[in-house]
Amino acid sequence: DAGITQSPRHKVTETGTPVTLRCHQTENHRYMYWYRQDPGHGLRLIHYSYGVKDTDKGEVSDGYSVSRSKTEDFLLTLESATSSQTSVYFCAISELGTDNEQFFGPGTRLTVL
Amino acid sequence: QQQVKQSPQSLIVQKGGISIINCAYENTAFDYFPWYQQFPGKGPALLIAIRPDVSEKKEGRFTISFNKSAKQFSLHIMDSQPGDSATYFCAATLDDKIIFGKGTRLHILP
Repeated sequence: DAGITQSPRHKVTETGTPVTLRCHQTENHRYMYWYRQDPGHGLRLIHYSYGVKDTDKGEVSDGYSVSRSKTEDFLLTLESATSSQTSVYFCAISELGTDNEQFFGPGTRLTVL
Repeated sequence: QQQVKQSPQSLIVQKGGISIINCAYENTAFDYFPWYQQFPGKGPALLIAIRPDVSEKKEGRFTISFNKSAKQFSLHIMDSQPGDSATYFCAATLDDKIIFGKGTRLHILP
């Protein structure tokens, strides 16, 4: 398995609180991605990074921010969590970008009450 | 134009049968079409992928058929096995962006 870890694996929080999810890789891959997975919607790209301090928006970026200060870490922040952000969040990495294999982490289940 | 439409939502196939999942896209600029397989509680994993200059790609029991003129591609699983029971996602990529279909939950009856 590709060396990708996500923390925490489960989190319950309340509406309006800030939440940060962490993705850590040991593969030294250039690209890192954050997705959310919801029933009936499949996987939707939130943000991605193509290098340290280089990030861009995906299709569902509203309400989320990201940061990448080191190659191995990609953080996803919900500044003020809402119930609509209850979801399973997956991090993925890729050596060469989206037209090559992406390796997914184990996921973080986030519940916003 | 950025959508990838996947069907069916769910599929039940007898062991040994052929499972077929279809996807359609609008944007002709998409340049890579992967299929991912996901088991419950796990992250998706790449199963097989194709580029638009190829009409078919086969890896073991898994085949992608690609119809560029119709803007459609499909996954065929031959001799389907209970271990193939999972959720399958098609996807299409352009530049650094990737769009996934909504997924097909496949169940293979023993």
